[in-house]
Amino acid sequence: GENVEQHPSTLSVQEGDSAVIKCTYSDSASNYFPWYKQELGKRPQLIIDIRSNVGEKKDQRIAVTLNKTAKHFSLHITETQPEDSAVYFCAYRGSTLGRLYFGRGTQLTVWP
Amino acid sequence: KAGVTQTPRYLIKTRGQQVTLSCSPISGHRSVSWYQQTPGQGLQFLFEYFSETQRNKGNFPGRFSGRQFSNSRSEMNVSTLELGDSALYLCASSDRAGYGYTFGSGTRLTVV
Repeated sequence: GENVEQHPSTLSVQEGDSAVIKCTYSDSASNYFPWYKQELGKRPQLIIDIRSNVGEKKDQRIAVTLNKTAKHFSLHITETQPEDSAVYFCAYRGSTLGRLYFGRGTQLTVWP
Repeated sequence: KAGVTQTPRYLIKTRGQQVTLSCSPISGHRSVSWYQQTPGQGLQFLFEYFSETQRNKGNFPGRFSGRQFSNSRSEMNVSTLELGDSALYLCASSDRAGYGYTFGSGTRLTVV
């Protein structure tokens, strides 16, 4: 299967709170899971990625967790700031090199 | 290191015309993939080229075609444009191992 379900589609949090976005995939051959941030009118920007041999990866306020058994992976943003407001996309690469499958995106709004 | 460069940034075309978009990948990257982004459909995969060969293809009609040159630069062509082809067209390049997909700023195509 090629589907990736991303939830929630919109997320509003207060500055300083945490935000969690979850994606579920169906392709058991998936081995690479990047996350992208897209600000209005700009290109999607890779913010963090994880490979299938790792369960968690952290980069300052951003972390990604992967549960291969349950086939889901999540993005965690702590101490959110207004500049974190953007659309976030999860993606995975299956057994086919060169192609990413994207979730439908989560509009994150951080209120000051 | 220069990023992924897409030209032109904006295009306005009339129904029935054709258009060619260009993408120059990050130096050393041999994989170039193309995506169509619309508010309703999200990021849809068009095709991917590696070493001048189309390696993957999405579910788009034959009006959408592409090619890759020996310097890894890629072009995408859309013939007989339709109103529904209006979208942001993004290309991404990745390294040989298929990680670190980096997107260009995109070409905003408007068909009138």
